[in-house]
Amino acid sequence: DTEVTQTPKHLVMGMTNKKSLKCEQHMGHRAMYWYKQKAKKPPELMFVYSYEKLSINESVPSRFSPECPNSSLLNLHLHALQPEDSALYLCASSPQISAGELFFGEGSRLTVL
Amino acid sequence: AQRVTQPEKLLSVFKGAPVELKCNYSYSGSPELFWYVQYSRQRLQLLLRHISRESIKGFTADLNKGETSFHLKKPFAQEEDSAMYYCALSHRNTGGFKTIFGAGTRLFVKA
Repeated sequence: DTEVTQTPKHLVMGMTNKKSLKCEQHMGHRAMYWYKQKAKKPPELMFVYSYEKLSINESVPSRFSPECPNSSLLNLHLHALQPEDSALYLCASSPQISAGELFFGEGSRLTVL
Repeated sequence: AQRVTQPEKLLSVFKGAPVELKCNYSYSGSPELFWYVQYSRQRLQLLLRHISRESIKGFTADLNKGETSFHLKKPFAQEEDSAMYYCALSHRNTGGFKTIFGAGTRLFVKA
């Protein structure tokens, strides 16, 4: 398996809901990332995990809570989101946390009502 | 601050014409630079990186440190090259490496 898989592909939630986005890779990569992409904008880095530990948090609001339960899985827990949080959330992985190729998933499109 | 600038939002060329997508960066250290491409209904994927100095799908990019540029070039554009192209810079930061993206250039190759 040489892909990064994200679920769900689409998610609609209210501002009081709690939901989670899931990302999985089985390439043995030890670094995983969450990016946020608004329409017609480039991906913006949110979080970086290295060896299952959070190494970079780009001052993301606490209503976004990342979790890396093991080396293959990355979750993004969502709670009390705002409509402006509606976006495409991209997961990526790389063999190590170094300047190298990022392997992206197809993304989870989130709509907050 | 680190920044990647792609001045053109849209670039339209005829099939067989040369194409150049511009990318300029600002970074005080030694950057790692990449071009990523997103074809219609496909995921974002790496096209090429400056350290490999290779040609992928006929595209090349040369890092010019003096001009802080990493322009993407292809001598003869094909219709299948139509896509969104992002220039990206990877740099060391406290906690590890970060990859930041330019705003992107949409390339449209006309028949």
